Amino acid sequence: DADVTQTPRNRITKTGKRIMLECSQTKGHDRMYWYRQDPGLGLRLIYYSFDVKDINKGEISDGYSVSRQAQAKFSLSLESAIPNQTALYFCATSKTNTQYFGPGTRLTVL
Amino acid sequence: GQQVMQIPQYQHVQEGEDFTTYCNSSTTLSNIQWYKQRPGGHPVFLIQLVKSGEVKKQKRLTFQFGEAKKNSSLHITATQTTDVGTYFCAGPHAGGTSYGKLTFGQGTILTVHP
Repeated sequence: DADVTQTPRNRITKTGKRIMLECSQTKGHDRMYWYRQDPGLGLRLIYYSFDVKDINKGEISDGYSVSRQAQAKFSLSLESAIPNQTALYFCATSKTNTQYFGPGTRLTVL
Repeated sequence: GQQVMQIPQYQHVQEGEDFTTYCNSSTTLSNIQWYKQRPGGHPVFLIQLVKSGEVKKQKRLTFQFGEAKKNSSLHITATQTTDVGTYFCAGPHAGGTSYGKLTFGQGTILTVHP
């Protein structure tokens, strides 16, 4: 699904650093989402946006912020990274209920 | 809030054996979706079920939506090594500002031994 891209694909950083993960899509979808995946916990929603002017918190938004720069771009920031934010992060888009995921960003916070 | 529980968490099978994963929601769902994530990959949409009691098949995969629309199952007949991965069910939040959000189950990790 090259229609949804994420950068970087892997990142190692240190505690306290600010990190931005970026997501771009060419599917023309209005809805975009950020999830984190941890072993045994499935996919948990961090933030979501239904259009450029709409930003909503998900179930685990503490420690994260987002920016919807355009219909096609949705960025996730960790203002001050901590080790328990080490996880696999996925961006997703949707037009209706079905979601299309990007390839993921593996983030390690030391 | 809405919860979607999935069991088992892990399943190890020999190639050729059948596999089933079960999904239960704390609330009635308007529909349920299934996704597959290959090792090292990202979740990919498999199917959506909408009607009470609905059964859909994709080759060796059979998906079922319960009569009460609170549970679902995915059954794989005669597993192959290409079936390995994590299978997620997901249900949408109903109405209001939650429309378009999905709640995912924890996933079932399937390992197939050749």
